[in-house]
Amino acid sequence: NAGVMQNPRHLVRRRGQEARLRCSPMKGHSHVYWYRQLPEEGLKFMVYLQKENIIDESGMPKERFSAEFPKEGPSILRIQQVVRGDSAAYFCASSQGARGLGTEAFFGQGTRLTVV
Amino acid sequence: KQEVTQIPAALSVPEGENLVLNCSFTDSAIYNLQWFRQDPGKGLTSLLLIQSSQREQTSGRLNASLDKSSGRSTLYIAASQPGDSATYLCAVSSNDMRFGAGTRLTVKP
Repeated sequence: NAGVMQNPRHLVRRRGQEARLRCSPMKGHSHVYWYRQLPEEGLKFMVYLQKENIIDESGMPKERFSAEFPKEGPSILRIQQVVRGDSAAYFCASSQGARGLGTEAFFGQGTRLTVV
Repeated sequence: KQEVTQIPAALSVPEGENLVLNCSFTDSAIYNLQWFRQDPGKGLTSLLLIQSSQREQTSGRLNASLDKSSGRSTLYIAASQPGDSATYLCAVSSNDMRFGAGTRLTVKP
């Protein structure tokens, strides 16, 4: 059973371009979470999704950021018109049960986005 | 709003020492608490998960305790090794999972 798979591992984008980050949860997991980690800081929650539904996007910036988790395929975090401040490591986690049920979350290796 | 604090921010010890990392949280209404390890430039590896009904969990040289009423957890590492050098993060799950800023541990040979 492969773990949470994120790709790409490293992504370089010029200011104004779009960044698309992908996350395939562990087999059997239908709950996905996205976190952002700025250098020398802890992880900040962005969004929690179930298949085809956004459950909680309270940590997501209101503009330029969007996330989806379609019925088929990976979860996608999309950042439009990237700016230098978007440079960070973006981590995806998945769990078998719903958030708040005490289930364990497993994290991917992250995508390191650099905006030049 | 849940706030998670980890003390100390950084710790350097000689090989072989036993050490304790601390995590505190402001809202005791939690479902579980997880300790993770993060190596530089890498992802998070789950070390221990403590459910809210439990008081401690052990895995090898690691022991994590939870005192929900006082909002505290400790991660005890016995007989530390250079390979234990990493950043240790605690995460508290209630309505969402919130992380502390981590403790950066260096174990010197």
